[in-house]
Amino acid sequence: DGGITQSPKYLFRKEGQNVTLSCEQNLNHDAMYWYRQDPGQGLRLIYYSQIVNDFQKGDIAEGYSVSREKKESFPLTVTSAQKNPTAFYLCASSMRSNEQFFGPGTRLTVL
Amino acid sequence: GQNIDQPTEMTATEGAIVQINCTYQTSGFNGLFWYQQHAGEAPTFLSYNVLDGLEEKGRFSSFLSRSKGYSYLLLKELQMKDSASYLCAVTYAGNNRKLIWGLGTSLAVNP
Repeated sequence: DGGITQSPKYLFRKEGQNVTLSCEQNLNHDAMYWYRQDPGQGLRLIYYSQIVNDFQKGDIAEGYSVSREKKESFPLTVTSAQKNPTAFYLCASSMRSNEQFFGPGTRLTVL
Repeated sequence: GQNIDQPTEMTATEGAIVQINCTYQTSGFNGLFWYQQHAGEAPTFLSYNVLDGLEEKGRFSSFLSRSKGYSYLLLKELQMKDSASYLCAVTYAGNNRKLIWGLGTSLAVNP
């Protein structure tokens, strides 16, 4: 079955540690996205990538980094520079229709 | 700016009809999406409007007026499972791979 996977569903880290969230898709989509969602707020774009080996900053890129070495994979690293990393992180992908398909999300808690 | 405005909360009764509005800035408008998001889950695609008019899909319909910068999502024969957040998102010319998201409308369906 085609789809987007994110793992793990829940992730706990100590303050000051970097953590990498995985996102894999087998939909053959060109574009991939990372969003952050906080309680009662909308989706905020962190980074997006339209093709392999290329990515652009979104609205809240500070404290995050990404890579796009393969079409199927778009991992997000939350660095220690991110002031308030506890949030629900959503990965999405899209083809030319622009309809974005979302993974199940990773809920990151920094202790 | 490219603000997307929608009501924060709405309440309706099981079996009734509810209309959720969304307004956006018309300059450079390309297309408009509606997504449904249940608590703790990822958003799922409901509809995509590019042209003026009403598009019906089962119990859900979506309307667009490009000249007025206005859309609504119409939910008929409401069921308890329709309790969710409904997100309006818009793409603009120049970067139609990037969605601009509203904050979402939290709909509570009561028995």
